[in-house]
Amino acid sequence: GAVVSQHPSRVICKSGTSVKIECRSLDFQATTMFWYRQFPKKSLMLMATSNEGSKATYEQGVEKDKFLINHASLTLSTLTVTSAHPEDSSFYICSARGGTGGDEQYFGPGTRLTVT
Amino acid sequence: AQSVTQLDSHVSVSEGTPVLLRCNYSSSYSPSLFWYVQHPNKGLQLLLKYTSAATLVKGINGFEAEFKKSETSFHLTKPSAHMSDAAEYFCVVRAPPGGGYSTLTFGKGTMLLVSP
Repeated sequence: GAVVSQHPSRVICKSGTSVKIECRSLDFQATTMFWYRQFPKKSLMLMATSNEGSKATYEQGVEKDKFLINHASLTLSTLTVTSAHPEDSSFYICSARGGTGGDEQYFGPGTRLTVT
Repeated sequence: AQSVTQLDSHVSVSEGTPVLLRCNYSSSYSPSLFWYVQHPNKGLQLLLKYTSAATLVKGINGFEAEFKKSETSFHLTKPSAHMSDAAEYFCVVRAPPGGGYSTLTFGKGTMLLVSP
């Protein structure tokens, strides 16, 4: 149980375009989802936290207009990188926390974004 | 506030020899502590967690960690390394449940290299 998926696993897009990454909790309802960014050979940096049905809370320094997060249902959150630039190339990982009282975060497999 | 320091960016061992990955934490509260493993271009897998129960925690794949409050440490060990253990390991601290979003704070990671 507690499986989180991400789609796509890899994406290449051209500079200036937008790309959407999906994060799904497959076997539980995720009241809270988290989006992380991982630079090469670096740790994970929390970008934002989203609760189902409400606006995401962004960490300091993360542009909310560039990284659009939607948590429209208890099993799906999306991260849209708008007007992507090469410096947005990174590994994006989501995690989900269930609503049954458990505080565990379950991580997705990550999405490798390359902006050319 | 909370933080975690992984004392080694790289650790090299030979197959069959013991593994020690060091982690020190700082937290204003009684923390929960985790070790995650990440294989190349993969998501994070939970190895083990400490949540104020037994101070010696056993995890998957033969790993264990000991919570030492007096030393503010949570070092990860394994008696005998296997080639498949080669990966990046993250020590993570979390604020107590109920404290808002229970944000995870990641260490910078330790790359474990295992030679034949």
